[in-house]
Amino acid sequence: NAGVTQTPKFRVLKTGQSMTLLCAQDMNHEYMYWYRQDPGMGLRLIHYSVGEGTTAKGEVPDGYNVSRLKKQNFLLGLESAAPSQTSVYFCASRGTAADGYTFGSGTRLTVV
Amino acid sequence: KQEVTQIPAALSVPEGENLVLNCSFTDSAIYNLQWFRQDPGKGLTSLLLIQSSQREQTSGRLNASLDKSSGRSTLYIAASQPGDSATYLCAVGPRSGSARQLTFGSGTQLTVLP
Repeated sequence: NAGVTQTPKFRVLKTGQSMTLLCAQDMNHEYMYWYRQDPGMGLRLIHYSVGEGTTAKGEVPDGYNVSRLKKQNFLLGLESAAPSQTSVYFCASRGTAADGYTFGSGTRLTVV
Repeated sequence: KQEVTQIPAALSVPEGENLVLNCSFTDSAIYNLQWFRQDPGKGLTSLLLIQSSQREQTSGRLNASLDKSSGRSTLYIAASQPGDSATYLCAVGPRSGSARQLTFGSGTQLTVLP
């Protein structure tokens, strides 16, 4: 089915380990976003991209890096995971700024 | 900085009741507003998108209104059903900026009792 696919769906990391979350969309969307969702904090923007080869910082970028080498993929990296990065991570995309967001199903990450 | 508030945080109603969920935002210079539904442990599903030039949007039993001047949006659910139980989030996109990224409220958790 067309849409936004996030992998993996679940992951447990030890403090200090690294990992990459993958977001893939097959709708030829220009804009892609990474959010984290925490109880009582709502959804907060980590990084975003307005097109292939571009990235920008959102509200809570510290400890994360991103890349958009291909238009359909937006990667979120954690270089040295910390317990504070335990969260549910959502990727979203949209075709233009006037369009609504389409979300992926999320990645539940636990850092111990 | 845009702030989005949703009150109440939780709402419980009997099946069949019509209900209204509220969303308020501090900066009226918005580009659009989107309502989402989130089921426990799941992702966000888009319900309605309202552009800043529009007053309302309708989809089935759902109707969303937008009043930019007062910084408010409402989501009206007619004839509620137990299957409507979920968390409803509203999000606003700013008029300025290249990405017009959405700012989210914390949501209203709705329970429809059979």
